[in-house]
Order: sequence, then C-alpha cells, then structure tokens
Amino acid sequence: KAGVTQTPRYLIKTRGQQVTLSCSPISGHRSVSWYQQTPGQGLQFLFEYFSETQRNKGNFPGRFSGRQFSNSRSEMNVSTLELGDSALYLCASSLVVGTAFTDTQYFGPGTRLTVL
Amino acid sequence: AQTVTQSQPEMSVQEAETVTLSCTYDTSESDYYLFWYKQPPSRQMILVIRQEAYKQQNATENRFSVNFQKAAKSFSLKISDSQLGDAAMYFCAYKGGSGGSNYKLTFGKGTLLTVNP
Repeated sequence: KAGVTQTPRYLIKTRGQQVTLSCSPISGHRSVSWYQQTPGQGLQFLFEYFSETQRNKGNFPGRFSGRQFSNSRSEMNVSTLELGDSALYLCASSLVVGTAFTDTQYFGPGTRLTVL
Repeated sequence: AQTVTQSQPEMSVQEAETVTLSCTYDTSESDYYLFWYKQPPSRQMILVIRQEAYKQQNATENRFSVNFQKAAKSFSLKISDSQLGDAAMYFCAYKGGSGGSNYKLTFGKGTLLTVNP
C-alpha cells in the first residue's frame, strides 16, 4: 500500500505571496492532519480534516487554511507569506473505522517551504 | 495542556551497542497513547513504536523496546544492537484517547542520535 504523498517536495516563495500544498493520504485513511516543523518551535499541530470538514485547528493565524476533498486528499493554503512561515510542512493520515478514529498517524515526506 | 519533554538533545552510541532515549510527559488524562517517531536526514517521519497507556506490558518492535512507567509518566526508548541506519532525530509524542487532545500529536523537542562505526 502506498504511503502518504505530499507535493511539491520543495517550494520557494517570496513574502506576500500565497502557497498551496497538497497531501494524499494512505488509501482508506479518511483523517488528514497537518503539522508545521521549525527549528525554533518544533512540531506544531495546524489542523485536522475528516469527511471534508475541519474538525480541529491549532493556534495559527487565519492566513493558514485548508480543505479536504471527497477522496480524502487535502490541501493547505498559506496566504500573505511571511519569512517566519519558512518550515517543513508535514501531512499525516490515520484510519477511521466507522466513527472511531484510530490513534496512529502516518506521515508523508513533507514539503519544505522557503520564504524569501 | 499536555506536554512532552525530551531532556537529551543529543546522544551517541557505538554500532552494535544499546542506547536509551528518555521521555517524560505531563497529562491529566487517563486514556492516551504514546509514540516514538524517527526522522532521518530525509525528513520523513517514521513510526518506530506505539504504546497504549492502559496496557502495562511494554511495547516491543524488533530491536526497539520501551520502558513505560505510567505512574512516573515516563516513556523511554531502548535501541538494541544499534545500526548506522538508526542515526536520526527521535521524537516522543503523546496523543489523547477518547477525549481532550485525542485529535493531535503533541511532540517533544527531539533527541538527535548519532551512531558511531
């Protein structure tokens, strides 16, 4: 079974631009979570999607948004980029059995975003 | 809020030797899960081992095992017969169970493991 895939793997943008990152979960996984990883703040939860709905959101400004499609693929968008948005963005998927969310999250390879 | 602390920013081990990475956590929840993830230079976050808090038996995956001390809120990872491919950043992570923080992983700051040939 294929793992979590993320595109693109690397991205360079300038301040003020916006960016969209994509994540395809493991086949059959319907919950998708996003994390930001920086040297200073470590790994921080951004948001989680299930059934095309954002279930939970971390403590990030409104410039960070996302969505999930009917095939469980997810995108996250960052508008008006700032230098501090430079980070590795990791997507993780987990299995949902009926209405029960399983505990283990499997991660993709990440998208390295550099903001100049 | 739950917190995860990894007190060893860096560790080193000789190939074929055993090393233990420490992790402590703080929570008021009784139902939760603990994980160790490995992040090699490729940056891919790889699940190493998982422990359910309600299970007293320590989890084991081949050369990797944990020492889970629920009362002490301690969750250490032991790597036996260390191999060069074990070199990576290791993250301890917490996830709530049926309520509270059950939707996200809370990570420690990580321990960078070097394996010397």
